[in-house]
Amino acid sequence: GAGVSQSPRYKVAKRGQDVALRCDPISGHVSLFWYQQALGQGPEFLTYFQNEAQLDKSGLPSDRFFAERPEGSVSTLKIQRTQQEDSAVYLCASSLDFSVYNEQFFGPGTRLTVL
Amino acid sequence: KQEVTQIPAALSVPEGENLVLNCSFTDSAIYNLQWFRQDPGKGLTSLLLIQSSQREQTSGRLNASLDKSSGRSTLYIAASQPGDSATYLCAVIKAAGNKLTFGGGTRVLVKP
Repeated sequence: GAGVSQSPRYKVAKRGQDVALRCDPISGHVSLFWYQQALGQGPEFLTYFQNEAQLDKSGLPSDRFFAERPEGSVSTLKIQRTQQEDSAVYLCASSLDFSVYNEQFFGPGTRLTVL
Repeated sequence: KQEVTQIPAALSVPEGENLVLNCSFTDSAIYNLQWFRQDPGKGLTSLLLIQSSQREQTSGRLNASLDKSSGRSTLYIAASQPGDSATYLCAVIKAAGNKLTFGGGTRVLVKP
């Protein structure tokens, strides 16, 4: 079956522009995670959804970052007024069940470059 | 706050040598530990997952050990091949939540 998909794969934005990054999780997966990976570093947690509920947004670096999953499936990460420090790869992951740990399956990521 | 460290940051070995990758974490109260592989421009591929009650997991040429009390895990890759060249990441998950806390990764180059 299809894995986690993300679009666009690459995004170049001018400083100050708004961007929207999309994640399509594996069908039926309850949990969805967003991570940010700066060049040469490990991914860092941004936010977590269980179905449509955003249960943890403690990793969002500022109020310019906003994520939603209105129907409990597709999720969008929006960054307003992008800054150069927002340049990173944004990874989305989904997992089947929230009550016991199940493996998180990662998408290919969206590489955001802010000029 | 959980911190995960991977040493070395980069490693270069000739083909056929065994690889030893280290991961350490500061908070031993983990639910499990997972090793991932990341190829350039790609997402993360899960290699091995070790539950907190386990000491090791094996898959083919890969073996991962876990010592919770000392906050360490080691990934062994036997008889390395050029196709093993990638970045290897370890991540831990707390019992209370599902978010992964990652180390910085070890970039591996296996020379033919």
